[in-house]
Amino acid sequence: GAVVSQHPSWVICKSGTSVKIECRSLDFQATTMFWYRQFPKQSLMLMATSNEGSKATYEQGVEKDKFLINHASLTLSTLTVTSAHPEDSSFYICSARVAREYEQYFGPGTRLTVT
Amino acid sequence: DAKTTQPNSMESNEEEPVHLPCNHSTISGTDYIHWYRQLPSQGPEYVIHGLTSNVNNRMASLAIAEDRKSSTLILHRATLRDAAVYYCIREGGSEKLVFGKGTKLTVNP
Repeated sequence: GAVVSQHPSWVICKSGTSVKIECRSLDFQATTMFWYRQFPKQSLMLMATSNEGSKATYEQGVEKDKFLINHASLTLSTLTVTSAHPEDSSFYICSARVAREYEQYFGPGTRLTVT
Repeated sequence: DAKTTQPNSMESNEEEPVHLPCNHSTISGTDYIHWYRQLPSQGPEYVIHGLTSNVNNRMASLAIAEDRKSSTLILHRATLRDAAVYYCIREGGSEKLVFGKGTKLTVNP
């Protein structure tokens, strides 16, 4: 089946620094990629939808200047958390979708801890 | 707004069938019903999806009520590896999946 990878799998950073998370579709070209955030014991919350070559569409309440999304190719999307603070500590998950297919393929997630 | 209602938790015994219910009483005619599951500290995994007819695949079966206001995910023989949070999601063509709280399935050996 289709595989989506994320890098890094976990990261610890200091407050005020920026962190970049990569999401790659390994064996298929993804027309659309999605970024989610999940706090402990909570459900996934959709942050943004990203299409290759165009600006990401952010969900209401998600700060686009803080969570920068770049979708440079059909196999790579990146999420940069700028000026991270402890409240940004969370599990970040990406997913990818192929046009005309209904299934979304999820990455294994990246655990971000901001100290 | 997840627009679906699921029990918070369910328990099953290993090798027995499990029926996970989902209520989506305000579903529109073009909304698909998707099921995903998530094991601890992992990304979700696709299970099955359907529109009107019942669906079967290697993982599970999806039974959709005739009025489409509810559906049931059926795991025919639960194993310990099926212990996860199961999410029932309506998707109306926007490609976006809005996750609710899901049902935490515990499988007893």
